Amino acid sequence: QVQLQESGPGLVRPSETLSLTCTVSGTFMSTHYWSWIRQTPGKGLEWIGHISNSESPKYSPSLESRITISLDTSKNQFSLKLRSVTAADSAVYFCARLHYDSTGRFPDYFDSWGQGTLVTVSS
Amino acid sequence: QSALTQPPSVSGSPGQSITISCTGTRNDVGTYILVSWYQQHPGKAPKVIIFDVSERPSGVSNRFSGSKSGNTASLTISGLQAEDEADYYCYSFAGRRMLFGGGTKLTVL
Repeated sequence: QVQLQESGPGLVRPSETLSLTCTVSGTFMSTHYWSWIRQTPGKGLEWIGHISNSESPKYSPSLESRITISLDTSKNQFSLKLRSVTAADSAVYFCARLHYDSTGRFPDYFDSWGQGTLVTVSS
Repeated sequence: QSALTQPPSVSGSPGQSITISCTGTRNDVGTYILVSWYQQHPGKAPKVIIFDVSERPSGVSNRFSGSKSGNTASLTISGLQAEDEADYYCYSFAGRRMLFGGGTKLTVL
């Protein structure tokens, strides 16, 4: 059974960098795609980006100038860095496994999720 | 404002059926079958209950069903049970973007 667990600071200062790590167990990371998604009361769920061993990361156009997602299969982890944060980046951040369609060409659905971690941006 | 439009809330009595709509455009829901639905209980992570418009993952009750017509996808829950009270989100692939709906709160009366 796949399990994902987010970790990182719960409080980040404005203009600084938000850094989160997702630790994965129960599966081989190299054969799957891995995502970050965030949730705010006002905007609901928002896809941030995803990564795999086989191709470059894909990022949300609205966030791509500020984010980096990286993968370390030797540690069974993938990470998110979001630069120059503001209060609008305060959210619950989820990591999730992304299932691709049968052709292997298109992202299809998120089949396993972490429990989420609350990040607040405040001075 | 979310890219996919859902009603903020729906309600129904135990045993009844309800339908939640998810309206997008020809660039997302209207073009792709890559539409999924997620159930989220308070304080929990979302759980996929429908993928590829109408497919159910193993272990998900057959009381949950999905469909699509034009730019609108729909989730139907039949035989409502108290445990179905939760938030429901739709999702669609949209090329460079991956879009969620704003969510619908289901209240079981």
